[in-house]
Amino acid sequence: EDQVTQSPEALRLQEGESSSLNCSYTVSGLRGLFWYRQDPGKGPEFLFTLYSAGEEKEKERLKATLTKKESFLHITAPKPEDSATYLCAVTGAAGNKLTFGGGTRVLVKP
Amino acid sequence: EAGVTQFPSHSVIEKGQTVTLRCDPISGHDNLYWYRRVMGKEIKFLLHFVKESKQDESGMPNNRFLAERTGGTYSTLKVQPAELEDSGVYFCASSQWGTSGNTIYFGEGSWLTVV
Repeated sequence: EDQVTQSPEALRLQEGESSSLNCSYTVSGLRGLFWYRQDPGKGPEFLFTLYSAGEEKEKERLKATLTKKESFLHITAPKPEDSATYLCAVTGAAGNKLTFGGGTRVLVKP
Repeated sequence: EAGVTQFPSHSVIEKGQTVTLRCDPISGHDNLYWYRRVMGKEIKFLLHFVKESKQDESGMPNNRFLAERTGGTYSTLKVQPAELEDSGVYFCASSQWGTSGNTIYFGEGSWLTVV
């Protein structure tokens, strides 16, 4: 059974204080690793898809990387508007369904 | 381009009643998914349609849940009769295979409270 574990559960940052979120996964035949952002009361908003180890993708202050066992979401010089829950999910050989981790709640204080 | 839309956004019903949730996927997306998050838990997969066919319904919790996708367009998820443990947020998502791979886009969710 596919499993995804995210750490830490919560992260408080000062504006400008860079940090990384971790997503460890166990999946049979990784087809894709997804990062989503979720604001309170909203649905998950797509950020990145990574398909193979060594791949990296960037969007504004966010950079996602992938190894064979984990993915990192680096937040560089965060701003208060980066406050959200960041979700990691994988799809494996079993099909198209996403297996989600519990998320990391990020709070960026000005 | 319109995103995935869900209706209703919030619903409060009594135990034993029936609720029907509706999802309109992004136009042209053949793949439609239902997910659910109950209090304090991760988002969990319920089922997957490809056009009008159920591709995978392994996540459906029991036979009180019925999902349909008429004509391969919008989908409904009916809960009958609703139980207290069905409370949570139900997300619909859609995707289309192509050059973007299988990026899955989510709706805002339908928040269900069973009292």
